[in-house]
Amino acid sequence: QSALTQPPSASGSPGQSVTISCTGTSSDVGGYNYVSWYQQHPGKAPKVMIYEVTKRPSGVPDRFSGSKSGNTASLTVSGLQTEDEADYFCSSYAGTSNFLFGGGTKLTVL
Amino acid sequence: QVQLQESGPGLVKPSETLSLTCTVSGGSVSSGGSYWSWIRQPPGKALEWMGYMSYTGSTYYNPSLKSRVTMSLDTSKNQLSLKLSSVTAADTAVYYCARGIGYFGDFFDYWGQGTLVTVSS
Repeated sequence: QSALTQPPSASGSPGQSVTISCTGTSSDVGGYNYVSWYQQHPGKAPKVMIYEVTKRPSGVPDRFSGSKSGNTASLTVSGLQTEDEADYFCSSYAGTSNFLFGGGTKLTVL
Repeated sequence: QVQLQESGPGLVKPSETLSLTCTVSGGSVSSGGSYWSWIRQPPGKALEWMGYMSYTGSTYYNPSLKSRVTMSLDTSKNQLSLKLSSVTAADTAVYYCARGIGYFGDFFDYWGQGTLVTVSS
């Protein structure tokens, strides 16, 4: 199974919104509502930002939101802040006790 | 706050077995609903889920690694371990331990910082 497809980079100015996509197949992203998104700052452990497509863990700002359409999931960051600059990667359940990850997207706040 | 810390050799020779340990603090590896996972990231490549061990002791491995990977829990030390046999240069990666949670461990709420393992003679 191939990794999920993410754009290598995304950018936006403070206050703007940016959306990062995560494309899979009907066997993973499209087949289950178990997509999660992670934020990783350099040298730090990943942090879950969205789980089960749209749910936000306690403590994650509501500027972060998730959605899915067909085989593509998306993470939207609204009201960009400088601290949002990080790598973001998606994950999806892929059936038979298997999970796939995306290649990661580097978000730059201009 | 649950914290995870990976440890083990940073250099492993080809054909040997890679062994890593993850020490959990602030929580118990026996806690219900937890799926203790290993995830790796080769340089410049995507993350790869290697497998996890549930709080009940059941193991679930990535089919692509199933023949080479073994995971175990040591409840007395609150640790999880990973063994990957017959390693090659393709196994060079940053290895993370993480806790899966949710319906069946469908997302990972706590991660270690990761440890780089290089396979080279």
